[in-house]
Amino acid sequence: DTGVSQNPRHKITKRGQNVTFRCDPISEHNRLYWYRQTLGQGPEFLTYFQNEAQLEKSRLLSDRFSAERPKGSFSTLEIQRTEQGDSAMYLCASSSELVGGEALVLTFGAGSRLTVL
Amino acid sequence: GQQVMQIPQYQHVQEGEDFTTYCNSSTTLSNIQWYKQRPGGHPVFLIQLVKSGEVKKQKRLTFQFGEAKKNSSLHITATQTTDVGTYFCAGRTSYDKVIFGPGTSLSVIP
Repeated sequence: DTGVSQNPRHKITKRGQNVTFRCDPISEHNRLYWYRQTLGQGPEFLTYFQNEAQLEKSRLLSDRFSAERPKGSFSTLEIQRTEQGDSAMYLCASSSELVGGEALVLTFGAGSRLTVL
Repeated sequence: GQQVMQIPQYQHVQEGEDFTTYCNSSTTLSNIQWYKQRPGGHPVFLIQLVKSGEVKKQKRLTFQFGEAKKNSSLHITATQTTDVGTYFCAGRTSYDKVIFGPGTSLSVIP
């Protein structure tokens, strides 16, 4: 296992189009997180999963954003009717949790950069 | 909602000078993590602090967790050009959501 994999690495789309990003976490990690990062900012929390269950979705996200993790392995993040403000780096991270809950160290993928024209 | 803040936003230092970044949370944290992001890269985990008042060292880096578990600091002694990047603190909430601060961008002038 070579780490967290994200595809595509770059996506350029026209406003109004739908886009989907895929994240393949480290195989033994049961938690998966999606973040959005714009230039000069920290990663902004979008949503996270424990296995296939989506535990929380940021209130900042509009209904145009949806994420799934159907079998508790890979995850997809879909953005419908993209807007120019959606242009950002979309980061996926996964983690495991040891007994006692103290681990939760995030391993990030390289990200998927979205440009909306 | 919960917020994690960091100061300063930017820091430019001469190589060999020390550097410190400070992190504050609006709520008590279960733990605090620090990540480093090199230009063009993705965040990479550095360290995790769990206990109130905890201090950890990694070579020239010293990390502290406040007594109230709401603040933390990262201090780098004698900076090197390899230290360039953005340093993020991240707090874990009681619901296992991990919230990142805005980061401190460090530039080191050779």
